[in-house]
Amino acid sequence: GAVVSQHPSWVICKSGTSVKIECRSLDFQATTMFWYRQFPKQSLMLMATSNEGSKATYEQGVEKDKFLINHASLTLSTLTVTSAHPEDSSFYICSATVGTSGMGTQYFGPGTRLTVL
Amino acid sequence: GNSVTQMEGPVTLSEEAFLTINCTYTATGYPSLFWYVQYPGEGLQLLLKATKADDKGSNKGFEATYRKETTSFHLEKGSVQVSDSAVYFCALSDGNKLVFGAGTILRVKS
Repeated sequence: GAVVSQHPSWVICKSGTSVKIECRSLDFQATTMFWYRQFPKQSLMLMATSNEGSKATYEQGVEKDKFLINHASLTLSTLTVTSAHPEDSSFYICSATVGTSGMGTQYFGPGTRLTVL
Repeated sequence: GNSVTQMEGPVTLSEEAFLTINCTYTATGYPSLFWYVQYPGEGLQLLLKATKADDKGSNKGFEATYRKETTSFHLEKGSVQVSDSAVYFCALSDGNKLVFGAGTILRVKS
């Protein structure tokens, strides 16, 4: 149980285009989802916390107009990278928690590799 | 702010060797501490956790003890296997968020 999927697993796009990444909790309802960014040989950096039905809370330094997050249902959150540029190339990972407080164990998706040309 | 420092890798060991991956943290209050493992091509999986000082988390032969006096949570395993090759992340809880260390690559040779 507690499986989180991401789609796509990798994507290549041209500079200036937008890319949408989906994060789904397959066998549980996740009221809180988290979006991370991982640079090569570096740690995961939290980008934002997403609660179902409300606006995402972004970490300091993360552009909310560039990284649009929508958490429309208890099993789906999406991250849209708008007007992508090469510096947005990275590994994006989502996680989801079971329960309503967001304090439970985080279950991670396999990640999405974004390459912007 | 809260932070986690892990030993740099890669760590390369022969099968059945003893493993230690060091992790120290800086935090206000008393966070929960975690070890996550990321196998090639997969997402992070919770390996073990400890929620208060002197707690020992253990799973799959791995263990780590929450040491408040040294602000450490070192990961150990008595005899590693090739299948343990992965990236290991130490993390602490900061409210409902996780703060991760940089990760340590472990390579186990047969």
